[in-house]
Amino acid sequence: GAGVSQSPSNKVTEKGKDVELRCDPISGHTALYWYRQRLGQGLEFLIYFQGNSAPDKSGLPSDRFSAERTGESVSTLTIQRTQQEDSAVYLCASSLFHRGSNQPQHFGDGTRLSIL
Amino acid sequence: EDQVTQSPEALRLQEGESSSLNCSYTVSGLRGLFWYRQDPGKGPEFLFTLYSAGEEKEKERLKATLTKKESFLHITAPKPEDSATYLCAVQANRDDKIIFGKGTRLHILP
Repeated sequence: GAGVSQSPSNKVTEKGKDVELRCDPISGHTALYWYRQRLGQGLEFLIYFQGNSAPDKSGLPSDRFSAERTGESVSTLTIQRTQQEDSAVYLCASSLFHRGSNQPQHFGDGTRLSIL
Repeated sequence: EDQVTQSPEALRLQEGESSSLNCSYTVSGLRGLFWYRQDPGKGPEFLFTLYSAGEEKEKERLKATLTKKESFLHITAPKPEDSATYLCAVQANRDDKIIFGKGTRLHILP
């Protein structure tokens, strides 16, 4: 497909379970971002990848959150021992990134995560 | 600390009633300011990038402007299909992080 694809689109799970969210960026986009959007709130930066490296992990809320990217393509965001406050929409974006220049981010439609 | 503040939080307009949305920002060295549109249940859709004070960009009924402290998104003669949340974001020169505002929910009444 031409756009950023995220799966699953919806995930409902019990508190304490682990969840894995997937992002397929636009082909050729070297930069990949994860954001969290709580209901009625703006986007909260979580982590950024340039290629397969994550130079900035400062936005990850706790050590329960981790992310990886392989083949400069697919990325997964893993949340361990989920808590109710983890309920949110998790958005992924990709861009053609070259340091020192600006490239707009292209977003997927997100994964809506609900923790019971 | 870098931050972005958008106002108003919500705006209701009659079809054809022009208005402006505000994005005030504080950042040490602006690399770029971005405007996005977000429809319910969807990811943000890119609209504009502005790089320096005085710059303006237009797309259909939308025009974005930039000063050293704020950006405006002007909506001329809006239609109901312009109803959405409009997000503003800034990127600083020193890092790659993009900081988003909370958005303005715009509702155009037919």
